[in-house]
Amino acid sequence: GESVGLHLPTLSVQEGDNSIINCAYSNSASDYFIWYKQESGKGPQFIIDIRSNMDKRQGQRVTVLLNKTVKHLSLQIAATQPGDSAVYFCAENMRAGGFKTIFGAGTRLFVKA
Amino acid sequence: SQTIHQWPATLVQPVGSPLSLECTVEGTSNPNLYWYRQAAGRGLQLLFYSVGIGQISSEVPQNLSASRPQDRQFILSSKKLLLSDSGFYLCAWSVQDRGLEKLFFGSGTQLSVL
Repeated sequence: GESVGLHLPTLSVQEGDNSIINCAYSNSASDYFIWYKQESGKGPQFIIDIRSNMDKRQGQRVTVLLNKTVKHLSLQIAATQPGDSAVYFCAENMRAGGFKTIFGAGTRLFVKA
Repeated sequence: SQTIHQWPATLVQPVGSPLSLECTVEGTSNPNLYWYRQAAGRGLQLLFYSVGIGQISSEVPQNLSASRPQDRQFILSSKKLLLSDSGFYLCAWSVQDRGLEKLFFGSGTQLSVL
């Protein structure tokens, strides 16, 4: 549902550690899930996506896990670097939903050197 | 390759003044276009989307309007700005892959209404 009025939760990790950012989605009919990264003062950028017929997808240093049973999505960042500091948004859309992507509340990731 | 241009990057406007933010996309035809707003430290709120020239859908009733005079041009306007219109405005376009969409965002406009 709409979460635009909520303050962002934060996650603080040490440089070199792995980060796990979680997201609960609302619509069990969603077909497609995406993670976006937004650096300060910039627009969000696509990181990785996963279709609903998969439960895991790996990219470069990032892995997305999808658990449809509990409607949970997670983004894992390996060996977190200072450049990973940003706000991370999960998003969902579905074929029957028209042209509307629904964004989660976002999580602010701080990486400590 | 596709690129999206959004300007200006920052804007300070007095209450009651008009607004016009412009967004253009290059390297693609008939894109779906979007305007989002983001308050400081908050999530993304969809304001308008367009699937074609002259076709605008509004998601939230408010003081703003949008127009799409050309295929790759999307404009956000207001006749009289309110203090509550302050925020970070993002234009985006999407590509559809087998019915699923991936969004590509512009660099945003930071609007301060004083």
